Amino acid sequence: NAGVMQNPRHLVRRRGQEARLRCSPMKGHSHVYWYRQLPEEGLKFMVYLQKENIIDESGMPKERFSAEFPKEGPSILRIQQVVRGDSAAYFCASSPPGATSGANVLTFGAGSRLTVL
Amino acid sequence: QQQVKQSPQSLIVQKGGISIINCAYENTAFDYFPWYQQFPGKGPALLIAIRPDVSEKKEGRFTISFNKSAKQFSLHIMDSQPGDSATYFCAASSGSSNTGKLIFGQGTTLQVKP
Repeated sequence: NAGVMQNPRHLVRRRGQEARLRCSPMKGHSHVYWYRQLPEEGLKFMVYLQKENIIDESGMPKERFSAEFPKEGPSILRIQQVVRGDSAAYFCASSPPGATSGANVLTFGAGSRLTVL
Repeated sequence: QQQVKQSPQSLIVQKGGISIINCAYENTAFDYFPWYQQFPGKGPALLIAIRPDVSEKKEGRFTISFNKSAKQFSLHIMDSQPGDSATYFCAASSGSSNTGKLIFGQGTTLQVKP
């Protein structure tokens, strides 16, 4: 069981470029969550997705950020026209489907660290 | 109301000592309180968790104490070891939504000196 796989682990972008972060959930998991960790801060919830559906995007910035979890392939967090304030670690977590799904069975990936020059 | 406040921000403990990290919350709908351990360059890993129907939960050297009336909970690391040096996050969630949407504290960087 490979766990939650995130790539790239490190990404450098110049202001105005696009950043795409990918997350493959654990085998058997169909729920994906994205969190952002700014330097010296705790993790902040961004978005919760199931296959082909955005369930809760209450933590997503209103502009430039989008997320998807297609029927096939990894979940993608996309940041358009990046700014220096987007520099952070972005963590993906996954959980299995069903009534037992939830915070108590959440597994985090190692994160993708975005640096905007 | 959605915040979880964590203290201290950093902590230095001698090997063998007790490390104590505290968290406070306001939202009475929270019913799941996990603690996560994060090493540099890694993702958070679940350490121990508690629900509000018990006042204490112990797993090895790690204990959560929960005070529902005060809306506070704390992590105690007994016999602290240098390998415990990491950042610790408390968190909370509401089971009514049964999701992995967690509200995290700001984190505590623990250093255990040999």
